[in-house]
Amino acid sequence: GEDVEQSLFLSVREGDSSVINCTYTDSSSTYLYWYKQEPGAGLQLLTYIFSNMDMKQDQRLTVLLNKKDKHLSLRIADTQTGDSAIYFCAENRQGGSYIPTFGRGTSLIVHP
Amino acid sequence: NAGVTQTPKFRILKIGQSMTLQCTQDMNHNYMYWYRQDPGMGLKLIYYSVGAGITDKGEVPNGYNVSRSTTEDFPLRLELAAPSQTSVYFCASVKGRGGYNEQFFGPGTRLTVL
Repeated sequence: GEDVEQSLFLSVREGDSSVINCTYTDSSSTYLYWYKQEPGAGLQLLTYIFSNMDMKQDQRLTVLLNKKDKHLSLRIADTQTGDSAIYFCAENRQGGSYIPTFGRGTSLIVHP
Repeated sequence: NAGVTQTPKFRILKIGQSMTLQCTQDMNHNYMYWYRQDPGMGLKLIYYSVGAGITDKGEVPNGYNVSRSTTEDFPLRLELAAPSQTSVYFCASVKGRGGYNEQFFGPGTRLTVL
């Protein structure tokens, strides 16, 4: 199976909350990241969480980390049409070369 | 800083042609990467480099070559282009000094092989 798994699609109404989920397999991951890719553009870091944290909040974004279940989620409050994009989860394993592992990306579609 | 720049933005190749995708970063980053992105498949690592003069294969290196003669530049060479190489190519870089490492991505090169 894949090292980092995400569902491929999520559709929400404008103003609702969006929750994008990710599971990873390497318990030695020290940092976990969420990247956003807007249409026709490269990836851009949205937020990250250090492995000794359970939660991180940044304005409309909330990241939850469950290390026991190796589960990461990204909640976007009051989702706007401008949030429509592909969201990638990535893990950074400890030690050795820095080669992050990305999930396949979740396409978030926001309906007006 | 311009960040990570890539040229060209778009290219159409015929089968068997060759080309070089250019990538430059001005952040003095140690690590540089080349990925390809196919619809619904996420990012696949082609090659990476941990510093000038050092390169290594990623997950899907066949049909590609790289070099890293300077810290700033990391070109990707396609020899004998094939339709399977139709994709969007992204270059990225990271400081790579342990701990938190944000990857910076270029805008991508959209390549079609016909």
